[in-house]
Amino acid sequence: EVQLLESGGGLVQPGGSLRLSCAASGPTFSTFAVSWVRQAPGKRLEWVSSISGNAGSRYYADPVKGRFAISRDNSKKTVYLQMNSLRADDTAVYYCAKWRISTPDAFDIWGLGTMVTVSS
Amino acid sequence: SYELTQPASVSVSQGQTASITCSGDKLGNKYVCWYQQKPGQSPMLVIYQDNKRPSGIPERFSGSNSGNTAALTISETQAMDEASYYCQTWDSDTVFFGGGTKLTVL
Repeated sequence: EVQLLESGGGLVQPGGSLRLSCAASGPTFSTFAVSWVRQAPGKRLEWVSSISGNAGSRYYADPVKGRFAISRDNSKKTVYLQMNSLRADDTAVYYCAKWRISTPDAFDIWGLGTMVTVSS
Repeated sequence: SYELTQPASVSVSQGQTASITCSGDKLGNKYVCWYQQKPGQSPMLVIYQDNKRPSGIPERFSGSNSGNTAALTISETQAMDEASYYCQTWDSDTVFFGGGTKLTVL
């Protein structure tokens, strides 16, 4: 079964940058899309960005457009989220999540999450 | 943008049936899925495509979706079902989550 593990979170000052990584196990990495979903403390889940299996399609939520960039390296089985111009309201646990392969309409595998804190 | 509305909290006595709703404009025309999230844990998919259960999810969990409302039903609710539940759909390559419902098992 596929497993996902996020890394790269931490404390960063407003205006700073951070790159998150999502490493996957399993042989089918290039066959499924991956998304980043965040959750501010005590708040709802919020979709951030998605990337297709071959990286040909990338999508972003309005609050992060122009500041965040999603990418993937299928040879390393890793998805990245480059976060620039970070703001206090970007503070959250960031999860990577795998879309169902057969029909990409739900996230069937989630990582453990990595905490990002934006504060001076 | 598209809004999904859930009640903030639902309470149910152990062994009884709990129902959590998720409302959105013409939601019945979209697929809805549901996630369970316990404190300090990652979300877990419990229902996809309105009413299908992933492998390993008990039959006690069921879903429906019609008109403007989707619902997650948990029959014979157990203490272990106490968690927050989120509905989710997608439209035009954008993913939408409901605000979440805290299920308390009395």
